[in-house]
Amino acid sequence: DTGVSQDPRHKITKRGQNVTFRCDPISEHNRLYWYRQTLGQGPEFLTYFQNEAQLEKSRLLSDRFSAERPKGSFSTLEIQRTEQGDSAMYLCASSLPPWVGYRGAGDEQYFGPGTRLTVT
Amino acid sequence: SQQGEEDPQALSIQEGENATMNCSYKTSINNLQWYRQNSGRGLVHLILIRSNEREKHSGRLRVTLDTSKKSSSLLITASRAADTASYFCATDRDNYGQNFVFGPGTRLSVLP
Repeated sequence: DTGVSQDPRHKITKRGQNVTFRCDPISEHNRLYWYRQTLGQGPEFLTYFQNEAQLEKSRLLSDRFSAERPKGSFSTLEIQRTEQGDSAMYLCASSLPPWVGYRGAGDEQYFGPGTRLTVT
Repeated sequence: SQQGEEDPQALSIQEGENATMNCSYKTSINNLQWYRQNSGRGLVHLILIRSNEREKHSGRLRVTLDTSKKSSSLLITASRAADTASYFCATDRDNYGQNFVFGPGTRLSVLP
């Protein structure tokens, strides 16, 4: 257990429905990341928050996807009008700020167990 | 295409043997990280090596980084059945902020 929790762990939904996932990071971590992982592949970056600010979004993140981190603590990822191609594991990770003075450094990320989404 | 690519895609060894996995990447980086993922679970951070480092050790793990060849290797010594997992390298990309890129992974099977 890394200390990052995700809810739900599994979600089965019908095509066209909306789904929302929640991530609770380690409390002192101000950086939070969302990734998507399909079978046999590595995680694909979706978006990143520093505190409540969403600083980066992947081109993979279509208009149907939205993420929030309203108080700089937990985060939600919503997928609207789900498609079968959205079926994947959605992973959340958190990290501490980079080492001060080291430009662009990314410290180790602590991953949650993931939410497995199946769209039927 | 992926920033990081692990090689081999799959590796099967006997318990007690050493396992070596390689990672190649395309653009300059600030650091490279290795993660392990057991089937159906989240990723676990193993080791981070910065671009100004050449080698790092952690327990039975040894990571090397060759920035001139844009490659890294992960060596697991005296492997155990519990090391069976997928191993991923992840790179940040210099000037790309926090957009980390993972390779497709090496699936390691350690046979008892």
